[in-house]
Amino acid sequence: DMKVTQMPRYLIKRMGENVLLECGQDMSHETMYWYRQDPGLGLQLIYISYDVDSNSEGDIPKGYRVSRKKREHFSLILDSAKTNQTSVYFCASSRDWGSYEQYFGPGTRLTVL
Amino acid sequence: GEKVEQHESTLSVREGDSAVINCTYTDTASSYFPWYKQEAGKSLHFVIDIRSNVDRKQSQRLIVLLDKKAKRFSLHITATQPEDSAIYFCAASRSNNRIFFGDGTQLVVKP
Repeated sequence: DMKVTQMPRYLIKRMGENVLLECGQDMSHETMYWYRQDPGLGLQLIYISYDVDSNSEGDIPKGYRVSRKKREHFSLILDSAKTNQTSVYFCASSRDWGSYEQYFGPGTRLTVL
Repeated sequence: GEKVEQHESTLSVREGDSAVINCTYTDTASSYFPWYKQEAGKSLHFVIDIRSNVDRKQSQRLIVLLDKKAKRFSLHITATQPEDSAIYFCAASRSNNRIFFGDGTQLVVKP
């Protein structure tokens, strides 16, 4: 059963705290993504990872960093979270070079107070 | 970079009618155009795509049309049903796994 999982599903943090969002996939997909979704803005790409330790910035990387030490696992880290990082974060994966269908996780709703 | 625009932010149709969602893109090198569906409170999932070597693709009640000259593509949902109600995202991509999404169209199918 092809699946992308995200933990936690809901998170409330205070401004200045560190945040760790976890994503896993069981499909051995090479490429993984982190997006944020805000009302009326569609999906904005934060980071893309082409494989272990091969990460590239997306459109809005400022304030975020990522870690990918295993192919099946991709983390998004917010060092000193800000209130404007309140959003829904989606992780996605896709199979390999030239295969573009993305499989999305259920999302993490992050609130920064 | 690529910019994808969805012309309708909301679309309301009666059950059984057809719905059409239109998108335009800017990068002439884009060659892959997927569509994703997001039901209320849920994640996105892939519904249909089209590649630049064809101008029409159909999967059951879904039809995608591509006009490369006009840099325009559209999703047609025929015989709409209440379960078609969702946000639909169009997207465009070159060949590097980077997909650029539109802002989404909220489709409401009224009984």
